[in-house]
Amino acid sequence: DTGVSQNPRHKITKRGQNVTFRCDPISEHNRLYWYRQTLGQGPEFLTYFQNEAQLEKSRLLSDRFSAERPKGSFSTLEIQRTEQGDSAMYLCASSYGQGAIRPNEKLFFGSGTQLSVL
Amino acid sequence: DAKTTQPNSMESNEEEPVHLPCNHSTISGTDYIHWYRQLPSQGPEYVIHGLTSNVNNRMASLAIAEDRKSSTLILHRATLRDAAVYYCILVGSGGYNKLIFGAGTRLAVHP
Repeated sequence: DTGVSQNPRHKITKRGQNVTFRCDPISEHNRLYWYRQTLGQGPEFLTYFQNEAQLEKSRLLSDRFSAERPKGSFSTLEIQRTEQGDSAMYLCASSYGQGAIRPNEKLFFGSGTQLSVL
Repeated sequence: DAKTTQPNSMESNEEEPVHLPCNHSTISGTDYIHWYRQLPSQGPEYVIHGLTSNVNNRMASLAIAEDRKSSTLILHRATLRDAAVYYCILVGSGGYNKLIFGAGTRLAVHP
């Protein structure tokens, strides 16, 4: 088990370009989360999948953002027409569970993708 | 959302104990207290959790006040590798299907 894998680790792009990030969760985990983190702040929730179903999206997830999790395995997060304000660390996490997070449920995070929009 | 309050930063010397406080005065009876930490250039990692009783594991200890309105994460002998941001998070009765992070406490460990 190699943990949660995120690619790429770093992405530099020009404003207006589209970018896509990939997350490979721990294999038996059915939940997958995307978070965004800016400098000096804690991670902010973006979206959540239970298997292949996207069950919740934050208001932070504008219409330029789209996430998918085909077949309930890996997930992709795409940002269209990037803006400088999109510069952040994008974190993926996974866990196993149903419904509300159980008291003893642990989330496992990847190392993130650092996006810089020039 | 049930909120937690933590100091922005703390400092410690290597091999000394560290007590990281967290206030959660609005905690409900079924909320669990979770701690995660985030090392530089890494995603957060689970540290420990508890409900009412003090808890120990290989990474740390968690001391929970009798009224449960505060808790303390204890690192018994800080090492340079413990330098990280520590997050205190309430999990449970809100029915949330996600973790909600605050800004956490940035711990600096000096040699």
